[in-house]
Amino acid sequence: EADIYQTPRYLVIGTGKKITLECSQTMGHDKMYWYQQDPGMELHLIHYSYGVNSTEKGDLSSESTVSRIRTEHFPLTLESARPSHTSQYLCASSAPERGTSQYFGPGTRLLVL
Amino acid sequence: RKEVEQDPGPFNVPEGATVAFNCTYSNSASQSFFWYRQDCRKEPKLLMSVYSSGNEDGRFTAQLNRASQYISLLIRDSKLSDSATYLCVVTFSDQGGKLIFGQGTELSVKP
Repeated sequence: EADIYQTPRYLVIGTGKKITLECSQTMGHDKMYWYQQDPGMELHLIHYSYGVNSTEKGDLSSESTVSRIRTEHFPLTLESARPSHTSQYLCASSAPERGTSQYFGPGTRLLVL
Repeated sequence: RKEVEQDPGPFNVPEGATVAFNCTYSNSASQSFFWYRQDCRKEPKLLMSVYSSGNEDGRFTAQLNRASQYISLLIRDSKLSDSATYLCVVTFSDQGGKLIFGQGTELSVKP
């Protein structure tokens, strides 16, 4: 089993609130990723990081931001949540070698009212 | 056109059937290949890597055809517990090794 964790698992929050989704891994992986996935739909990469102080935007534009101050931690923040942000957010990590597989966390289901 | 394409299904098959999923990719800078499985409302989990010579893991066989840019997954003697969405995943060397996911193929195995 992969050692990658996400909290909270479920979050229901009102419009305009600031939220931070936590992701941490204990495998020492340099590469970490955030995906967004709506029910029954495909995964969309929204952010990734190849190491501390490195963050990049993914293929799908997102109003969220990320930070990577420590190797094991890759939080995602929404400054002002909106109903359009309702989705599942999946964090993943992989070893530094090119082309290695990713391990996913259990996801955070976000509902913005 | 998506870089990694799959037939979205759903594939509805009876228990014990053999089912094959196909996946095509459009970037010749392909590097690594995987099949992931995603259960409803769960995270994707690595099912198996795909090697150039093809590989087998129990009832699951994966094959790769680089010339045709095509990957397949064969499931023999399907079980009810095989019901899930199967994701074809490719990394490309000109994209920093990021995993590019297909949209997934849904499989439903019925008794």
